[in-house]
Amino acid sequence: GESVGLHLPTLSVQEGDNSIINCAYSNSASDYFIWYKQESGKGPQFIIDIRSNMDKRQGQRVTVLLNKTVKHLSLQIAATQPGDSAVYFCAERVGGGKLIFGQGTELSVKP
Amino acid sequence: GAGVSQSPSNKVTEKGKDVELRCDPISGHTALYWYRQSLGQGLEFLIYFQGNSAPDKSGLPSDRFSAERTGGSVSTLTIQRTQQEDSAVYLCASSSPGLLNSPLHFGNGTRLTVT
Repeated sequence: GESVGLHLPTLSVQEGDNSIINCAYSNSASDYFIWYKQESGKGPQFIIDIRSNMDKRQGQRVTVLLNKTVKHLSLQIAATQPGDSAVYFCAERVGGGKLIFGQGTELSVKP
Repeated sequence: GAGVSQSPSNKVTEKGKDVELRCDPISGHTALYWYRQSLGQGLEFLIYFQGNSAPDKSGLPSDRFSAERTGGSVSTLTIQRTQQEDSAVYLCASSSPGLLNSPLHFGNGTRLTVT
């Protein structure tokens, strides 16, 4: 079936460096994508979203890039901080309704 | 403002017993979702409500699982005759009405342990 997958299951970065988390999706009809952050014992927290008619969107310290040609999504975190340590999930939606989630990447920030 | 609220936060039950998990969505959110997350895994879709109807219940694993929503607000996920493989965190989310593409806002989940 359709799936969203992540290239790297774990990512370790030094505090202050930039982080890039990648995601591949398989459904070319997906029109909406979201990145979530999940800390231990909590539900996923919305970070940033992007619609399929865009290829880049920026938030506070975060940027999402969408490449529909190769069906690739990435999350860039600038000046990574210890508080950014968490599991990050990408998710896609086709025409409203449910979100399909990837397996997640664990980001570890070393002080 | 209040976010999505789930109760109980933790539930331990014996194999074969029934359990009910509750979700209070954000006020005014007409769409409500249930997901399941096993340890160290991603989120598995269970069911989605728009108002009180469920246009997509394709993720329910078996007929032991059911969900309902009343008054366009509170939802209950019921698992009958629980099995050990039902142990997981059950997450509820809601989203704004009138926006085709709006993010889901999640609660902190109910951690279910079946012994």
